[in-house]
Amino acid sequence: AQSVTQLGSHVSVSEGALVLLRCNYSSSVPPYLFWYVQYPNQGLQLLLKYTSAATLVKGINGFEAEFKKSETSFHLTKPSAHMSDAAEYFCAVSVGAGNQFYFGTGTSLTVIP
Amino acid sequence: SAVISQKPSRDICQRGTSLTIQCQVDSQVTMMFWYRQQPGQSLTLIATANQGSEATYESGFVIDKFPISRPNLTFSTLTVSNMSPEDSSIYLCSAIGWGTATYEQYFGPGTRLTVT
Repeated sequence: AQSVTQLGSHVSVSEGALVLLRCNYSSSVPPYLFWYVQYPNQGLQLLLKYTSAATLVKGINGFEAEFKKSETSFHLTKPSAHMSDAAEYFCAVSVGAGNQFYFGTGTSLTVIP
Repeated sequence: SAVISQKPSRDICQRGTSLTIQCQVDSQVTMMFWYRQQPGQSLTLIATANQGSEATYESGFVIDKFPISRPNLTFSTLTVSNMSPEDSSIYLCSAIGWGTATYEQYFGPGTRLTVT
């Protein structure tokens, strides 16, 4: 069975500070992992994905995530937070191409000026 | 990537009525899904919309309450039937692409439903 745990439902950072959003997964097979961002009153937008290639994945808007199999983690980072990064972030796992996604409960990021 | 549109974007409906939400994808996709997102919460999968056959529903969701159609590879509808205030939520359509895009799931902008 597959599942995703996002530690911290709310994260606040100062503008310019490091952003770290945590995601741990459980999967019986090698997973595909994703981060999505949801801005207020909008749908979900794919930030980045891991599909068994490079373990360090770079996405849009300066975000990146590193797949660590030994830690079953796929944490999302950004070196310097911007006000426009304030949004809800969801981690998701899939067992393969064309298969169902399992979403975490989400982390709301607040950026303090 | 696939671009997904949903209609309506929002609606306010009376208890006991039904609303049909349309989802249109700009390219052929392999799989289409319907999710519910209640205020401040994560996404809950309602069902997988299967082309030309009955949808596959997740536990807790039934066809009588959430009938789904998918007549072709790019279009699907979700009906929320006999609505109650507990159905107030955002309903999201999503799709998984073809070929190299089969790893990615794309989302529509959502339909914000309020039931009074």
